Amino acid sequence: AQSVTQPDIHITVSEGASLELRCNYSYGATPYLFWYVQSPGQGLQLLLKYFSGDTLVQGIKGFEAEFKRSQSSFNLRKPSVHWSDAAEYFCAARAGGSYIPTFGRGTSLIVHP
Amino acid sequence: DVKVTQSSRYLVKRTGEKVFLECVQDMDHENMFWYRQDPGLGLRLIYFSYDVKMKEKGDIPEGYSVSREKKERFSLILESASTNQTSMYLCASSSSGRTNQPQHFGDGTRLSIL
Repeated sequence: AQSVTQPDIHITVSEGASLELRCNYSYGATPYLFWYVQSPGQGLQLLLKYFSGDTLVQGIKGFEAEFKRSQSSFNLRKPSVHWSDAAEYFCAARAGGSYIPTFGRGTSLIVHP
Repeated sequence: DVKVTQSSRYLVKRTGEKVFLECVQDMDHENMFWYRQDPGLGLRLIYFSYDVKMKEKGDIPEGYSVSREKKERFSLILESASTNQTSMYLCASSSSGRTNQPQHFGDGTRLSIL
């Protein structure tokens, strides 16, 4: 069965520290991959997406993600976290030819001053 | 930019009421979705529509129905609201033109059933 796993329910970092949020997928073929962010009380906003090509993808708000086929991973990174990055982060995957993505359960990012 | 608008940010209803949640998108997207979001459970798909008057059940359709009479509008209906339907409801839309296109989400409706 297709699945997306975000192993960390909560991550706590200090402001200015680097960040890596993990995402692993289980699909028969490489799916389309997405990262979304959800600020408190808001909907989901797309941070970045991967379809093919360069395995390092740049997104908005200074985020990037690296696709690693051998590890079935698509981890999100940011070199220096700001307090405003505190939010819920969702990884999602979608098989080619399907319009319905599978979402991970989310990782809640807490930023300490 | 794609705009997905949900009619209410907060809604309080009573058990047994018929509840309508409305969603409108302005990008001529073919696909529209309703999710509910609960702590620790992530997003769960309730219903999906890929065209006017077309709908498909998602993972948790029980207790819900949907209506899509116009391409831009997708309504979620709670036929007889119950307290276990208290949740955050998210609407999304996407294009069918290319399957690599992401979903675009509304800001959500936080629904409380008393």
